[in-house]
Amino acid sequence: KAGVTQTPRYLIKTRGQQVTLSCSPISGHRSVSWYQQTPGQGLQFLFEYFSETQRNKGNFPGRFSGRQFSNSRSEMNVSTLELGDSALYLCASSSDTGVGEKLFFGSGTQLSVL
Amino acid sequence: LAKTTQPISMDSYEGQEVNITCSHNNIATNDYITWYQQFPSQGPRFIIQGYKTKVTNEVASLFIPADRKSSTLSLPRVSLSDTAVYYCLVVLAGGGGNKLTFGTGTQLKVEL
Repeated sequence: KAGVTQTPRYLIKTRGQQVTLSCSPISGHRSVSWYQQTPGQGLQFLFEYFSETQRNKGNFPGRFSGRQFSNSRSEMNVSTLELGDSALYLCASSSDTGVGEKLFFGSGTQLSVL
Repeated sequence: LAKTTQPISMDSYEGQEVNITCSHNNIATNDYITWYQQFPSQGPRFIIQGYKTKVTNEVASLFIPADRKSSTLSLPRVSLSDTAVYYCLVVLAGGGGNKLTFGTGTQLKVEL
């Protein structure tokens, strides 16, 4: 089985721009969640989608949004980029069987905002 | 969800057994204890999960005392490739979706 695929691997943007990151979960997984990782704040939960619906949301501003498609692929969007948005963005998928979910993470998208 | 506390860093040598202890005093009845490993510029990787007593897989063992207020991840005979950050998490079993709270983790450094 192929793992979680995130594209692009690296991205450089300037302040004020917007960016869209993509995540393809493991086949059969319906839950996709997104995390932001920075040296200062560590790994922080952004949001989770299940069957095209946002099921959980972290404490991030509205500039961060996401969506999930019928094939479970997910995208996250960050609008009006700020320098502080520079981070490794990680996507994770799970089969969501309901018993202490095991998440499978992708390698992430490294976003640099200049 | 229960907050976890674990050492910020640990050093070891190749071939030694490494034990990383995690404290989770406020763990709830339906919570599982889960450990992830992360290498630089990669996503975390699931290592092991348990509810009580002892769990063992091909990578590690997880020891959980009866009161479940702490747990110990045991890595047998570590090698240089085990150098990574190890995260202890308390995960709610079933319902509520997947929303993991990662702490600062333990940076394990293995030397020759």
